[in-house]
This record gives sequence, structure tokens and C-alpha cells, in this order.
Amino acid sequence: EPEVTQTPSHQVTQMGQEVILRCVPISNHLYFYWYRQILGQKVEFLVSFYNNEISEKSEIFDDQFSVERPDGSNFTLKIRSTKLEDSAMYFCASSEVLQGARLSEQYFGPGTRLTVT
Amino acid sequence: AQSVTQPDIHITVSEGASLELRCNYSYGATPYLFWYVQSPGQGLQLLLKYFSGDTLVQGIKGFEAEFKRSQSSFNLRKPSVHWSDAAEYFCAVGKSSGDKLTFGTGTRLAVRP
Repeated sequence: EPEVTQTPSHQVTQMGQEVILRCVPISNHLYFYWYRQILGQKVEFLVSFYNNEISEKSEIFDDQFSVERPDGSNFTLKIRSTKLEDSAMYFCASSEVLQGARLSEQYFGPGTRLTVT
Repeated sequence: AQSVTQPDIHITVSEGASLELRCNYSYGATPYLFWYVQSPGQGLQLLLKYFSGDTLVQGIKGFEAEFKRSQSSFNLRKPSVHWSDAAEYFCAVGKSSGDKLTFGTGTRLAVRP
């Protein structure tokens, strides 16, 4: 069964450093998302992306964050200058565009645990 | 704004016992409702979803959920729990199937042998 993959599974970085989290969505999916889950808290929406544009973003997704689809298979989340509070599990998800421009449910990857020290 | 409440943080049941995990939502229109499960070290796996139609929906792994509009609830049930069901369960709501999801805080399920 096709699945969303994410790399790395765990990333440790120092405060102020840039990180790039990578995701490979399911191959025929065209709508992509990033969510995050701070330890002990709920999963929160960050951003959705379609047709090389951000569709929607939350107030968490400030200028420190950016997303990109650099090629036909990867979808990345960049944090320019990490803060301690960026430590979280980051989940990528993707949806298929169905007939009538409806979207399927979201399929989630296993997550990348980001630790900022 | 939409919101989801999962009132039970932890639940422990014996293997073979029945299970019900509660979920209440707040949403202005007809919601799209989902239950996801997260096993340790794993991502979020979709158990089932409700968009419209029959209010009792069947999912994978023997789970079902019932949408009750009058109670704004979408409780997850399983008649007989297996040890492999130990995981964290998340209820989520969106305004369409591909819309951003708003998650509850999750319920951690432990299964006693």
C-alpha cells in the first residue's frame, strides 16, 4: 500500500540553525500538508500546499517557516532559525484530488521528531 | 472556530472487553469527522471517517463510530479489544475531506492482559 514517507526520523539541531524536513507524499497525491505536535499537546495544522502555492496557513506558520516542492516527489518544510519552542514532532500528509475537485482524506507520514537544543 | 474535545486522557481496558472513546466537536455546519490512531513510533493512521449518510460508520481493525448530531458527538467503539489496540487515538474535524484538520488532545489506550 502506498504511504507517505518522511526523513529524517529524528533531527537534533542547535537554536538558530536552519533545518529542512523532507516528505515524499503518495505519488498521485497533489495536495500536501504539514502539522506539528509538541510533546504532550494536540496535533496542530501548519500549512497546506497545492499547485506550487500555499493554500492555507495557520498563525503558527510565520516568516520563519517555508514550504517547497523542489521536484516531482519531495515536499519540504524549512525552518530558517530554529527556536527551542520549535521542538516537536512534524507530520507531513497528502491528499488525492478526486473527481469534481474534491479531496480525499489525508494520509499521514510517520513524522520527524525535531529537537532544538 | 471548530474544536474537538476528547474528555478522556487515559483509558485502560482488559483484553476482550468493549471500548468506547468519546469525542465531542464544535462546528457550525455539517462536519467531516475522523478518527486516527497513532501507535508508538508510527504516524497517524486513519481508522474511519464520516462525511454524510449512515451515521454509524465502520472502519478498519473492527472499529466503528456513531455520529450523533444532537449531541455533537462522534464516539469510537470496538466490541472486543485486542492487546495490539494499545495506542493513542485522535478525533479530528474538518469542513471538508481535504480541509485542515482540527484535532482533539487524544486518548491513550492501555490494554490489560
